[in-house]
Order: sequence, then C-alpha cells, then structure tokens
Amino acid sequence: EAQVTQNPRYLITVTGKKLTVTCSQNMNHEYMSWYRQDPGLGLRQIYYSMNVEVTDKGDVPEGYKVSRKEKRNFPLILESPSPNQTSLYFCASSLKATGVSETQYFGPGTRLLVL
Amino acid sequence: AQKVTQAQTEISVVEKEDVTLDCVYETRDTTYYLFWYKQPPSGELVFLIRRNSFDEQNEISGRYSWNFQKSTSSFNFTITASQVVDSAVYFCALSEDTDKLIFGTGTRLQVFP
Repeated sequence: EAQVTQNPRYLITVTGKKLTVTCSQNMNHEYMSWYRQDPGLGLRQIYYSMNVEVTDKGDVPEGYKVSRKEKRNFPLILESPSPNQTSLYFCASSLKATGVSETQYFGPGTRLLVL
Repeated sequence: AQKVTQAQTEISVVEKEDVTLDCVYETRDTTYYLFWYKQPPSGELVFLIRRNSFDEQNEISGRYSWNFQKSTSSFNFTITASQVVDSAVYFCALSEDTDKLIFGTGTRLQVFP
C-alpha cells in the first residue's frame, strides 16, 4: 500500500530534550516536506527536500533540522524543543519537484507536546 | 503575496442540506494550483482535488463539486446532501511554482443528524 508513515504518532517531552520524528514514504517520491498545524493558523511549511541531500527552509524553520540521506526518509529533528513547538506535525511527499505542482500526500500526523 | 483565505471558521448544517465552503486566494503568478484537503476527526489529511489555473471547468465527484472562478479568485467547494461522515475540517491550499502548499486556516464543518 502506497503511504507516508510517521513515528511516533504521539509524543510528550520536556523542554530541551532532543527528539526526532521519522517520516518514510514507499512511493519513490522525490519531494518531501514537513508542516506544522496550529489552531487558527492552518498548516505552515517547516522544511522541504527536492531530492536526496537537497533540503531548504520553509516558512517556519527556526528550531528544526532535517536531513535527506535516503530518498524514502525525511526525519525532523528538534535539537532543543521548547513549548512553542507543541503542535501537530505532518510529513508529506509528492512525485517530483519540477515546478509543476504535484499532489502532496500526507502522513497521519504526529502530535507533540513539549512541557 | 500568496495567500489563501477561508473566511468561514465553522459551519453547522443538518444532514441532507447542501453546504458551500468558500476559498479565496491571492497570487501574482499566472500558473498555479489549487487544492482541497479534508481532515476528519481522526486527524489525517485526505486529498480531495487538484486544479490548475488554466482549467476553469467546474468539477463534480459524487456529492462533491468545485467551482473555480479566476475572475473572483475563488475556488469554492460544495457538498450536496451532506452526511454526518462529511463532518471534518476542510482546507483549501495554493501552490505556485514550487511544491510548497499555502494553506488557508480551514473551515470546520459539522453535520448533525
């Protein structure tokens, strides 16, 4: 089954404790992206990747890191989480990043609470 | 600047009513793409439709229909004969020359039996 998976689905942590949210897709998609969803703000892009070893900042990258060492994986790293990073996080992927906007398919979401 | 506005924060209807969710967008590009996603209470995002700026034909898929009007920069979504299972948050989104999606703030639809 074609899908985007995220782990963990729920996470409670404390300020400053490094964490990683994994994202994996099995569709051989080139483009992957991370979004955060906050009430009243919709979804906002954090980082994206056009292909392996190619990543760039989205609209709200502060406090986050990403890497793209393999095509299928795009982990989101919070080196020192803070309470304002409490949010619902979505990973997404699409076939190609050609400037012709492909449909993005989303993972199930990761709900993060930073105390 | 690119922007998507969903002015309706929440809509409540009774089952079998028709309901229209509004979406107004801003862009300076002539080539762009518009999307609708559904987020049911379980939280995942479900893709509903993708439309490019050169195709203004309305689209119908079962009880769902979309009205794209470039003259008013709108891409409205209508559910005919709504059902309880349609209860969700619906997001409209815009994409220009990159794959980044600019989302509206969403409209929460509640359909009561």
